[in-house]
Amino acid sequence: EAEVAQSPRYKITEKSQAVAFWCDPISGHATLYWYRQILGQGPELLVQFQDESVVDDSQLPKDRFSAERLKGVDSTLKIQPAELGDSAMYLCASSLFQDREAFFGQGTRLTVV
Amino acid sequence: QKEVEQDPGPLSVPEGAIVSLNCTYSNSAFQYFMWYRQYSRKGPELLMYTYSSGNKEDGRFTAQVDKSSKYISLFIRDSQPSDSATYLCAMRAAGNKLTFGGGTRVLVKP
Repeated sequence: EAEVAQSPRYKITEKSQAVAFWCDPISGHATLYWYRQILGQGPELLVQFQDESVVDDSQLPKDRFSAERLKGVDSTLKIQPAELGDSAMYLCASSLFQDREAFFGQGTRLTVV
Repeated sequence: QKEVEQDPGPLSVPEGAIVSLNCTYSNSAFQYFMWYRQYSRKGPELLMYTYSSGNKEDGRFTAQVDKSSKYISLFIRDSQPSDSATYLCAMRAAGNKLTFGGGTRVLVKP
């Protein structure tokens, strides 16, 4: 069964350091999403790609967060510098196209110390 | 007020009971509705996907959408301890982002 792959599963980093997460969507899925989920809350969208183009990054803290999907396949989300408040689960999801159901990866749990 | 409201629970039921979950929303443009199950420290797993109003059944799961009341429901029949998880509703308008509720924690006791 096709899955969204994410790495690493867990990451501990010191504040002010840089951190990066990787996502490989289900093959053929044009839409890719990065969500952040704080414990006890629902996921919130950080950025959405359609192929290699960003279609929504309105909630991405652009002073410290960046995301790219250079060839329209896999994607990287970067935080530099990390802050204590960035501790959360970072989820990647993909869908065949924008209005279809989204499938999630297992997430990267980030702890900033 | 959040666009999508969901009771956080926990909702505790005995094994074999029907679990009833719901979400309310404020955006009348929402027309795609999803339910996800999320186990602790895992990613959300898609359970049901429905478009517009109506009912959809898949095994022990039934999803209902009432757009006139801006209310969606998920029913789980013959609940099992393995159904203990957090259930997230999510919805979107055409061409717009997917918006989640805060999740309801469900405990099914043997």
